[in-house]
Amino acid sequence: QLQLQESGPGLVKPSETLSLTCTVSGGSISSSSYYWGWIRQPPGKGLEWIGSIYYSGSTYYNPSLKSRVTISLDTSKNQFSLKLSSVTAADTAMYYCARHGVAGATSFYYFDYWGQGTLVTVSS
Amino acid sequence: QSALTQPASVSGSPGQSITISCTGTSSDVGGYNYVSWYQEHPGKAPKLMIYEVSNRPSGVSNRFSGSKFGNTASLTISGLQAEDEGDYYCSSKRSSSTPLVFGGGTKLTVL
Repeated sequence: QLQLQESGPGLVKPSETLSLTCTVSGGSISSSSYYWGWIRQPPGKGLEWIGSIYYSGSTYYNPSLKSRVTISLDTSKNQFSLKLSSVTAADTAMYYCARHGVAGATSFYYFDYWGQGTLVTVSS
Repeated sequence: QSALTQPASVSGSPGQSITISCTGTSSDVGGYNYVSWYQEHPGKAPKLMIYEVSNRPSGVSNRFSGSKFGNTASLTISGLQAEDEGDYYCSSKRSSSTPLVFGGGTKLTVL
């Protein structure tokens, strides 16, 4: 059974960089069949797709966050990571990692496995 | 404000049926058959319940069904059970630089 687990600091100071890692078990992030993505949910608000990465390193980012987001992967550790720079209180949210299908496939448009999420608070 | 509009809350009694709507535009919900639905319980990973408007992943109860008419998609849960209580989110492909958009979520209460 595929499992995803987010990890990282729960508190980040304003203007600093938020860094999270998603560890994948029960499957390989080097598979050519999937993208690996990050989604967030601010308190009391809906979900927002942040971006996704393919095993080759190809990425898609939400244009509203693109200037501040970097998603990378470490195939040796079966992990992928999120960095969000210059954070503000508006970046306080539950952050999820998830798997979806390859670009160009219908499965690109839904996430079939998710992590439980990790809450990140931006505050001094 | 979320890209797709969902009611904030719905409720129903055990055994009843409820429907959650997800309204978008012709650039997302109305333009593609790529609507998906997710169930979220506190402290647990969100779960895919419906994909491509009406398809159920393996293991999801057939009490859950999806449909679409125009720019509005719907999730129907029949034979409501206490375990169905939780938050539900819709998602859709969008013909823009943001290929994936979500709804604001609906809290389902089983009375």
